Amino acid sequence: GAGVSQTPSNKVTEKGKYVELRCDPISGHTALYWYRQSLGQGPEFLIYFQGTGAADDSGLPNDRFFAVRPEGSVSTLKIQRTERGDSAVYLCASSPAGLGGWGANVLTFGAGSRLTVL
Amino acid sequence: DAKTTQPPSMDCAEGRAANLPCNHSTISGNEYVYWYRQIHSQGPQYIIHGLKNNETNEMASLIITEDRKSSTLILPHATLRDTAVYYCIVRDPTGANSKLTFGKGITLSVRP
Repeated sequence: GAGVSQTPSNKVTEKGKYVELRCDPISGHTALYWYRQSLGQGPEFLIYFQGTGAADDSGLPNDRFFAVRPEGSVSTLKIQRTERGDSAVYLCASSPAGLGGWGANVLTFGAGSRLTVL
Repeated sequence: DAKTTQPPSMDCAEGRAANLPCNHSTISGNEYVYWYRQIHSQGPQYIIHGLKNNETNEMASLIITEDRKSSTLILPHATLRDTAVYYCIVRDPTGANSKLTFGKGITLSVRP
């Protein structure tokens, strides 16, 4: 598609459950980013992929969070043993270049996946 | 690592120019100024970026002071659809780490 697609748009789960959030970036974009946004706050960086590899995962809050991008296109953010504090909007973005370069900071964001942990 | 400072909110009348300030007094020589905005329930949207010269595109103009310690995003004729949170971000686009670091931004309310 023309933009970044994220599914599901809304997910309600119970504390302790496992959740997967999917991101389809713009075709040909090599860089992919995951952010988390809590109410009233700006997006908070989680992880950045350049191709298939995680170039920077310094924003992942703990080992319950994991993300993959096995073929360098679609990415999945995985959250184990969800907690109420994980409730947020999870945003995915892609850009045509990474590791520096002019396109590196012109990110196109998806609409986000709203996660609610009861 | 908040490198920019923005007022929390401002408003303007529809059809008037909206001037959104940003302070980035510690900006380094290789860092550009980027502006994104986020309309309610949507992801952030790129607006414009610049290094030291003023920039203009179909969405907005960016005015950067000569010492580069502050800038102003100008929406020349604000509409109700411009109501959003506007983020000012500084980043070196050639750096090895490409992530953008968002602050809280400034909430612009355009009134009829």
